[in-house]
Amino acid sequence: QVQLQESGPGLVKPSQTLSLTCTVSGGSISSAGYYWSWVRQFPGKGLEWIGYISYTGSTYYNPSLRSRVNISADTSKNQFSLRLTSVTAADTAVFYCARDRNEGLDVWGLGTTVTVSS
Amino acid sequence: DIQMTQSPSTLSASVGDRVTITCRASQSIGSWLAWYQQKPGKAPKLLINKASTLQSGVPSRFSGSRSGTEFSLTISSLQPDDFATYYCQQYNSYSRAFGGGTKVEIK
Repeated sequence: QVQLQESGPGLVKPSQTLSLTCTVSGGSISSAGYYWSWVRQFPGKGLEWIGYISYTGSTYYNPSLRSRVNISADTSKNQFSLRLTSVTAADTAVFYCARDRNEGLDVWGLGTTVTVSS
Repeated sequence: DIQMTQSPSTLSASVGDRVTITCRASQSIGSWLAWYQQKPGKAPKLLINKASTLQSGVPSRFSGSRSGTEFSLTISSLQPDDFATYYCQQYNSYSRAFGGGTKVEIK
């Protein structure tokens, strides 16, 4: 079965770039029909969809984050990554990667907490 | 962009109660709506997609429905394991906005 695991620094300084990687096992990120998403959850709050990269490599981002977000994929490693630039304390959250079959997010990683602080 | 308005934000109920959570889309999304359950410290779990299609392994006490741009998640008889936070998400457009969430608490 497909499994996803997030990895990356748990602490990022303000104004720097947050970088996370999601490693996919049990399936290929190049498989047709799949989109690979990032979602975040602020402390004690709801979910915010960040964006996705599709099996074709096309990307789409939450308009509220578009100027700061980049999602890329490394098919040789079966990974996809998130970069969020110019972070502030307001970007502190739990970040999840998830598989999207255009029918909802059906497989999720466990999540990783990223704190923005000096 | 499509906005999803979910209500109520908190719901207090007892075991055995029938509960309904509502999600309204700011424009037509067809039936392209999913419902998730999230428990503290865990990733969300997909319960329903296409507005009313129950995912494998999800108890039949959960159901989803659509009326125009209004969607409902109903739990027919609330069980102890159902106390959690529920989210809707649209996937009609390229963007995948979530609703604000509904926390189902023990009364």
